[in-house]
Amino acid sequence: QQQVKQSPQSLIVQKGGISIINCAYENTAFDYFPWYQQFPGKGPALLIAIRPDVSEKKEGRFTISFNKSAKQFSLHIMDSQPGDSATYFCAATHSGGGADGLTFGKGTHLIIQP
Amino acid sequence: DSGVTQTPKHLITATGQRVTLRCSPRSGDLSVYWYQQSLDQGLQFLIHYYNGEERAKGNILERFSAQQFPDLHSELNLSSLELGDSALYFCASSPQAGPNTEAFFGQGTRLTVV
Repeated sequence: QQQVKQSPQSLIVQKGGISIINCAYENTAFDYFPWYQQFPGKGPALLIAIRPDVSEKKEGRFTISFNKSAKQFSLHIMDSQPGDSATYFCAATHSGGGADGLTFGKGTHLIIQP
Repeated sequence: DSGVTQTPKHLITATGQRVTLRCSPRSGDLSVYWYQQSLDQGLQFLIHYYNGEERAKGNILERFSAQQFPDLHSELNLSSLELGDSALYFCASSPQAGPNTEAFFGQGTRLTVV
């Protein structure tokens, strides 16, 4: 059972445009929602993260929007640059007991065209 | 560079064999997480160790096991290998046991089972 659904699988955006990646989760116990960026041959690296007590978090050109009632969150990349071309993963976890690793979405392959 | 070191980077082995993957966490980090990344399953949490003790298990097969040593490095042991075990294996470390803190990923070990 996929607990975090991510879309789209791939995305092509023109330089300077806005890239939008969406995720939906099922487990209402999730209370931490990070986004990871992965370049070929590298491990994932944390980009930005949000907790459900806020609806939006912005860091530079990257913004997470969070809708708790809809159980959805999204990543917006403003003024997208060719260097942003990478695979992006949304993830979720909860601070309670049990399997406390990150549950990842399947990833979005983002290409920014010059 | 995340500060997390994984060895070897690449490993090719035959079905039925056993391999050991090694992870050295960032200096001072007590938590080590292991993840498997494959094309069909994406990034999946396997197991979490904190300061030498197992904290949580995810989708880890019984043929797989892990341990964390007193110097905090960790090893993931994969036995009776099957073709389907071919994947990228990542470890990640974080300073604390809580899952909602930033996890720093290594560059991974690419395992190919032939």
